[in-house]
Amino acid sequence: EIVLTQSPGTLSLSPGERATLSCRASQSVSSRYLAWYQQKPGQAPRLLIYGASSRATGIPDRFSGSGSGTDFTLTISRLEPEDFAVYYCQQYGSSPWTFGQGTKVEIK
Amino acid sequence: EVQLVESGGGLVQPGGSLRLSCAASGFTFSSYAMHWVRQAPGKGLEYVSAISSNGGSTYYANSVKGRFTISRDNSKNTLYLQMGSLRAEDMAVYYCARDSGSPAPLYYFDYWGQGTLVTVSS
Repeated sequence: EIVLTQSPGTLSLSPGERATLSCRASQSVSSRYLAWYQQKPGQAPRLLIYGASSRATGIPDRFSGSGSGTDFTLTISRLEPEDFAVYYCQQYGSSPWTFGQGTKVEIK
Repeated sequence: EVQLVESGGGLVQPGGSLRLSCAASGFTFSSYAMHWVRQAPGKGLEYVSAISSNGGSTYYANSVKGRFTISRDNSKNTLYLQMGSLRAEDMAVYYCARDSGSPAPLYYFDYWGQGTLVTVSS
Protein backbone atom coordinates (compact mmCIF):
# COMPACT_ATOMS: atom_id res chain seq x y z
CA GLU A 1 0.00 0.00 0.00
CA ILE A 2 1.26 3.47 -0.89
CA VAL A 3 1.23 5.75 2.14
CA LEU A 4 0.88 9.45 1.40
CA THR A 5 2.28 11.89 3.94
CA GLN A 6 1.20 15.51 3.65
CA SER A 7 3.05 18.42 5.16
CA PRO A 8 2.69 20.67 6.92
CA GLY A 9 -0.32 19.59 8.94
CA THR A 10 -1.48 23.20 9.20
CA LEU A 11 -0.43 26.21 7.17
CA SER A 12 -1.23 29.64 8.60
CA LEU A 13 -1.21 32.31 5.93
CA SER A 14 -2.84 35.60 5.02
CA PRO A 15 -4.99 36.29 1.96
CA GLY A 16 -2.78 37.16 -0.98
CA GLU A 17 0.09 34.98 0.18
CA ARG A 18 1.42 31.93 -1.62
CA ALA A 19 0.66 28.46 -0.25
CA THR A 20 2.88 25.46 -0.91
CA LEU A 21 1.57 22.05 0.17
CA SER A 22 3.58 18.85 0.00
CA CYS A 23 2.52 15.25 -0.56
CA ARG A 24 5.18 12.56 -0.25
CA ALA A 25 4.55 8.94 -1.24
CA SER A 26 6.12 5.90 0.39
CA GLN A 27 6.84 4.52 -3.08
CA SER A 28 6.76 5.88 -6.57
CA VAL A 29 3.33 6.86 -7.90
CA SER A 30 3.04 5.41 -11.37
CA SER A 31 2.39 7.70 -14.31
CA ARG A 32 1.94 10.71 -12.03
CA TYR A 33 -1.48 9.36 -10.98
CA LEU A 34 -1.86 11.90 -8.20
CA ALA A 35 -4.91 14.05 -7.48
CA TRP A 36 -5.62 16.93 -5.11
CA TYR A 37 -8.95 17.73 -3.48
CA GLN A 38 -10.20 20.70 -1.46
CA GLN A 39 -12.68 20.23 1.37
CA LYS A 40 -14.44 22.97 3.29
CA PRO A 41 -16.24 22.35 6.61
CA GLY A 42 -19.49 20.47 6.15
CA GLN A 43 -18.91 19.99 2.42
CA ALA A 44 -17.83 17.16 0.19
CA PRO A 45 -14.35 17.17 -1.30
CA ARG A 46 -13.88 18.94 -4.63
CA LEU A 47 -11.44 17.79 -7.28
CA LEU A 48 -8.76 20.38 -8.00
CA ILE A 49 -5.90 18.62 -9.77
CA TYR A 50 -5.44 15.24 -11.49
CA GLY A 51 -2.48 13.69 -13.23
CA ALA A 52 -0.30 15.64 -10.79
CA SER A 53 -0.61 18.88 -12.74
CA SER A 54 -3.86 19.09 -14.74
CA ARG A 55 -6.53 21.39 -13.36
CA ALA A 56 -10.05 20.02 -13.16
CA THR A 57 -12.89 21.80 -14.90
CA GLY A 58 -13.62 25.22 -13.45
CA ILE A 59 -10.60 25.36 -11.16
CA PRO A 60 -8.90 28.78 -11.14
CA ASP A 61 -5.38 29.01 -12.49
CA ARG A 62 -4.02 30.16 -9.13
CA PHE A 63 -4.06 26.43 -8.28
CA SER A 64 -1.21 24.43 -9.76
CA GLY A 65 0.24 20.99 -9.18
CA SER A 66 3.66 19.61 -9.83
CA GLY A 67 5.89 16.69 -9.05
CA SER A 68 6.55 13.09 -9.96
CA GLY A 69 7.77 9.86 -8.44
CA THR A 70 7.37 10.28 -4.68
CA ASP A 71 7.23 14.06 -4.27
CA PHE A 72 4.28 16.21 -5.27
CA THR A 73 3.30 19.80 -4.58
CA LEU A 74 0.10 21.82 -4.70
CA THR A 75 0.68 25.57 -4.99
CA ILE A 76 -1.90 28.28 -4.54
CA SER A 77 -0.28 31.37 -5.99
CA ARG A 78 -2.33 34.00 -4.16
CA LEU A 79 -4.74 32.89 -1.48
CA GLU A 80 -8.30 34.08 -1.81
CA PRO A 81 -10.66 34.04 1.21
CA GLU A 82 -12.48 31.02 -0.22
CA ASP A 83 -9.25 28.97 -0.42
CA PHE A 84 -8.98 28.47 3.32
CA ALA A 85 -9.83 24.79 3.64
CA VAL A 86 -8.34 21.33 4.03
CA TYR A 87 -6.48 19.83 1.08
CA TYR A 88 -5.99 16.12 0.42
CA CYS A 89 -3.79 14.32 -2.05
CA GLN A 90 -4.80 10.92 -3.44
CA GLN A 91 -2.84 8.41 -5.46
CA TYR A 92 -4.68 6.31 -8.02
CA GLY A 93 -1.77 4.54 -9.62
CA SER A 94 -2.13 1.33 -7.65
CA SER A 95 -4.71 -0.24 -5.41
CA PRO A 96 -5.52 0.29 -2.67
CA TRP A 97 -6.15 3.89 -3.69
CA THR A 98 -5.04 6.03 -0.79
CA PHE A 99 -5.38 9.56 0.52
CA GLY A 100 -3.00 11.69 2.50
CA GLN A 101 -4.04 12.83 5.95
CA GLY A 102 -4.68 16.39 4.79
CA THR A 103 -3.22 19.86 5.16
CA LYS A 104 -5.33 22.59 6.69
CA VAL A 105 -4.79 26.07 5.26
CA GLU A 106 -6.00 28.53 7.86
CA ILE A 107 -6.17 32.30 8.04
CA LYS A 108 -3.27 33.82 9.94
CA GLU B 1 -25.94 19.11 -13.81
CA VAL B 2 -24.41 16.07 -12.16
CA GLN B 3 -26.00 15.27 -8.82
CA LEU B 4 -25.30 12.51 -6.33
CA VAL B 5 -27.61 12.25 -3.34
CA GLU B 6 -26.87 9.77 -0.57
CA SER B 7 -29.41 8.45 1.89
CA GLY B 8 -29.83 5.66 4.41
CA GLY B 9 -27.45 6.75 7.12
CA GLY B 10 -28.43 6.73 10.76
CA LEU B 11 -27.80 5.20 14.15
CA VAL B 12 -27.08 1.49 14.31
CA GLN B 13 -25.85 -0.76 17.09
CA PRO B 14 -22.52 -2.53 16.90
CA GLY B 15 -22.96 -5.70 14.91
CA GLY B 16 -25.92 -4.27 13.06
CA SER B 17 -26.57 -3.64 9.38
CA LEU B 18 -27.45 -0.66 7.23
CA ARG B 19 -27.92 -0.02 3.52
CA LEU B 20 -26.83 3.23 1.97
CA SER B 21 -28.15 4.49 -1.35
CA CYS B 22 -26.83 7.08 -3.77
CA ALA B 23 -29.22 8.44 -6.38
CA ALA B 24 -27.48 9.78 -9.45
CA SER B 25 -28.73 12.23 -12.05
CA GLY B 26 -27.43 14.52 -14.75
CA PHE B 27 -25.19 11.98 -16.46
CA THR B 28 -25.31 8.53 -18.02
CA PHE B 29 -24.98 6.54 -14.81
CA SER B 30 -24.39 3.22 -16.58
CA SER B 31 -21.24 4.58 -18.24
CA TYR B 32 -19.28 5.28 -15.07
CA ALA B 33 -17.66 3.30 -12.31
CA MET B 34 -18.77 4.49 -8.90
CA HIS B 35 -17.14 4.59 -5.51
CA TRP B 36 -17.74 4.96 -1.79
CA VAL B 37 -15.34 7.02 0.34
CA ARG B 38 -15.80 7.63 4.06
CA GLN B 39 -14.63 10.17 6.59
CA ALA B 40 -14.68 9.53 10.31
CA PRO B 41 -15.59 12.55 12.45
CA GLY B 42 -12.72 15.04 12.41
CA LYS B 43 -10.55 12.70 10.36
CA GLY B 44 -9.32 12.33 6.79
CA LEU B 45 -10.70 10.50 3.78
CA GLU B 46 -10.66 6.70 3.53
CA TYR B 47 -11.39 4.77 0.36
CA VAL B 48 -14.04 2.09 0.88
CA SER B 49 -15.30 0.41 -2.28
CA ALA B 50 -15.67 0.55 -6.05
CA ILE B 51 -17.96 -0.96 -8.66
CA SER B 52 -17.53 -1.04 -12.41
CA SER B 53 -20.01 0.60 -14.75
CA ASN B 54 -21.90 -2.63 -15.44
CA GLY B 55 -21.58 -3.95 -11.90
CA GLY B 56 -19.51 -6.90 -12.95
CA SER B 57 -16.41 -5.96 -11.02
CA THR B 58 -16.08 -4.78 -7.43
CA TYR B 59 -13.29 -3.75 -5.08
CA TYR B 60 -13.18 -3.41 -1.30
CA ALA B 61 -10.72 -1.94 1.13
CA ASN B 62 -9.34 -4.54 3.51
CA SER B 63 -11.04 -2.77 6.40
CA VAL B 64 -14.52 -3.61 5.04
CA LYS B 65 -13.93 -6.74 2.97
CA GLY B 66 -16.36 -9.50 3.87
CA ARG B 67 -18.67 -7.10 5.73
CA PHE B 68 -19.74 -4.58 3.07
CA THR B 69 -21.26 -5.20 -0.36
CA ILE B 70 -21.38 -2.62 -3.11
CA SER B 71 -23.98 -2.90 -5.87
CA ARG B 72 -25.80 -0.79 -8.42
CA ASP B 73 -29.05 -0.71 -10.33
CA ASN B 74 -28.43 1.03 -13.62
CA SER B 75 -32.15 1.01 -14.42
CA LYS B 76 -32.72 3.14 -11.31
CA ASN B 77 -29.49 5.18 -11.54
CA THR B 78 -28.71 4.16 -7.99
CA LEU B 79 -25.61 2.96 -6.16
CA TYR B 80 -25.81 0.97 -2.95
CA LEU B 81 -23.60 -0.01 -0.06
CA GLN B 82 -24.86 -2.83 2.15
CA MET B 83 -22.99 -2.66 5.43
CA GLY B 84 -22.97 -5.51 7.94
CA SER B 85 -21.24 -6.46 11.20
CA LEU B 86 -20.80 -2.75 11.85
CA ARG B 87 -18.12 -1.64 14.27
CA ALA B 88 -17.43 1.60 16.09
CA GLU B 89 -14.61 2.32 13.63
CA ASP B 90 -17.11 2.27 10.74
CA MET B 91 -18.75 5.43 12.09
CA ALA B 92 -18.26 8.08 9.44
CA VAL B 93 -19.80 10.24 6.78
CA TYR B 94 -20.09 8.07 3.68
CA TYR B 95 -19.72 9.78 0.33
CA CYS B 96 -20.54 8.32 -3.04
CA ALA B 97 -18.34 9.59 -5.82
CA ARG B 98 -18.25 9.32 -9.58
CA ASP B 99 -15.16 8.03 -11.30
CA SER B 100 -13.61 10.58 -13.61
CA GLY B 101 -13.14 8.14 -16.45
CA SER B 102 -15.56 6.66 -18.94
CA PRO B 103 -15.76 3.99 -20.14
CA ALA B 104 -12.57 2.86 -18.40
CA PRO B 105 -12.27 3.87 -14.73
CA LEU B 106 -9.42 6.12 -13.62
CA TYR B 107 -9.96 5.85 -9.84
CA TYR B 108 -10.03 9.52 -9.06
CA PHE B 109 -13.30 11.30 -8.43
CA ASP B 110 -14.80 14.30 -10.17
CA TYR B 111 -18.22 14.50 -8.48
CA TRP B 112 -19.15 13.74 -4.90
CA GLY B 113 -22.42 13.55 -3.02
CA GLN B 114 -23.04 15.54 0.15
CA GLY B 115 -22.56 12.44 2.31
CA THR B 116 -24.66 10.50 4.78
CA LEU B 117 -23.66 9.97 8.40
CA VAL B 118 -23.49 6.49 9.86
CA THR B 119 -23.31 6.36 13.64
CA VAL B 120 -22.41 3.06 15.29
CA SER B 121 -23.23 3.09 18.98
CA SER B 122 -25.13 1.14 21.58
